[in-house]
Amino acid sequence: DIQMTQSPSTLSASVGDRVTVTCRASQSVSSSLAWYQQKPGKAPRLLIYKASSLQSGVPSRFSGSGSGTEFTLTISSLQPDDFATYYCQQFKSYPVTFGGGTKVEIK
Amino acid sequence: EAQLVESGGGLVQPGGSLRLSCAASRFTFSDHYMDWVRQAPGKGLDWVGRSRNKANSYTTEYAASVKGRFTISRDESKNSLFLQMNSLEIEDTAVYYCIRVQGGGNSYAFDLWGQGTMVTVSS
Repeated sequence: DIQMTQSPSTLSASVGDRVTVTCRASQSVSSSLAWYQQKPGKAPRLLIYKASSLQSGVPSRFSGSGSGTEFTLTISSLQPDDFATYYCQQFKSYPVTFGGGTKVEIK
Repeated sequence: EAQLVESGGGLVQPGGSLRLSCAASRFTFSDHYMDWVRQAPGKGLDWVGRSRNKANSYTTEYAASVKGRFTISRDESKNSLFLQMNSLEIEDTAVYYCIRVQGGGNSYAFDLWGQGTMVTVSS
């Protein structure tokens, strides 16, 4: 199985901050990677697919980059609505696997 | 707007069975791969399995932790996806999400999620 490791597990930031979350794969997943945002009690929401493609309707302050084994999710200017948990996910091979999540908290 | 609505969750004893349903609406159900993902209380996301689309004969894939115990199926006439769960274990306690898969190849992603249904396995 491909292991996905996110860092940090928790991140404290302020409104307006630039925030970066990292996701590392235990082997290459090419660009078969997606990012999701989840708020408490809600289903996750797709933000980024194919490592860097912005899902329709997602604000442009979200961006993704990387390929192979190292990926980043960047929020260019953190907004109040962005405090949530973020997950990466690989689709390169079965089983589909997720990172452990990064919780973005208010500083 | 496309929608997925799960039902069938509840409390079941260890070793018991439960069948989850997912009703899909306002998109062409047979065109899409459909997955189940679960989330134990306070934990991360855990992929359960997949039903490929009609073009791929609705073939299935499963996580090792559920293979042989869980079965994914569809009723095309009712635009519904099912998860039959047998020999349930305490570790299967989770919110179960039904998901539409978009794209193909590198563009796969889970673009539509149901609201989730809670399954509790306890004596």
